[in-house]
Amino acid sequence: AQKVTQAQTEISVVEKEDVTLDCVYETRDTTYYLFWYKQPPSGELVFLIRRNSFDEQNEISGRYSWNFQKSTSSFNFTITASQVVDSAVYFCALSFTSGTYKYIFGTGTRLKVLA
Amino acid sequence: AAGVIQSPRHLIKEKRETATLKCYPISRHDTVYWYQQGPGQDPQFLISFYEKMQSDKGSIPDRFSAQQFSDYHSELNMSSLELGDSALYFCASSFSGPDTDTQYFGPGTRLTVL
Repeated sequence: AQKVTQAQTEISVVEKEDVTLDCVYETRDTTYYLFWYKQPPSGELVFLIRRNSFDEQNEISGRYSWNFQKSTSSFNFTITASQVVDSAVYFCALSFTSGTYKYIFGTGTRLKVLA
Repeated sequence: AAGVIQSPRHLIKEKRETATLKCYPISRHDTVYWYQQGPGQDPQFLISFYEKMQSDKGSIPDRFSAQQFSDYHSELNMSSLELGDSALYFCASSFSGPDTDTQYFGPGTRLTVL
């Protein structure tokens, strides 16, 4: 079965704290893609990162970093020195090459960054 | 470059009415996806089109239909609306190239059924 689990429903941190959002996935496919999207209160889905199953290299983009580990089927997202503008719901998603690349989303993690 | 455009952004309908949601993909994108996001839920895949043909179908009610036109825009038609259809409807597009797996989402249409 294809599944994405985001066990953290809601996280609250104080501004400037680091925070890690967890994502665990299940798939039998050997080729698949993982994504993170941000959904701010305005509602749109903002693309953050894409990673394919053959690329386990971690990535850093400014205050954002991602840790992909196939051994544990995890694709975790860390925000360093969080800011109030980071407050949003963050979704992890999975797609695969068998079919049409439709996304399976996790249930999302609501991040609240307090000033 | 312009992103995915969805119209209308907000729509209020009564039960049993019909609604049509429109999606204009990014230029040169040939694949369109529709997702439904209920309140406090994650987006759920409804249906997708590639080159004007339906390519995949998810948990889309029989009361809903969709199509993709020759200019690649897509419309989601919803009939006999129910209260439970109130949701945020996203359209996403992608291009069948090297990054075909990456979908770019529109701002969504918020449908409220009264």
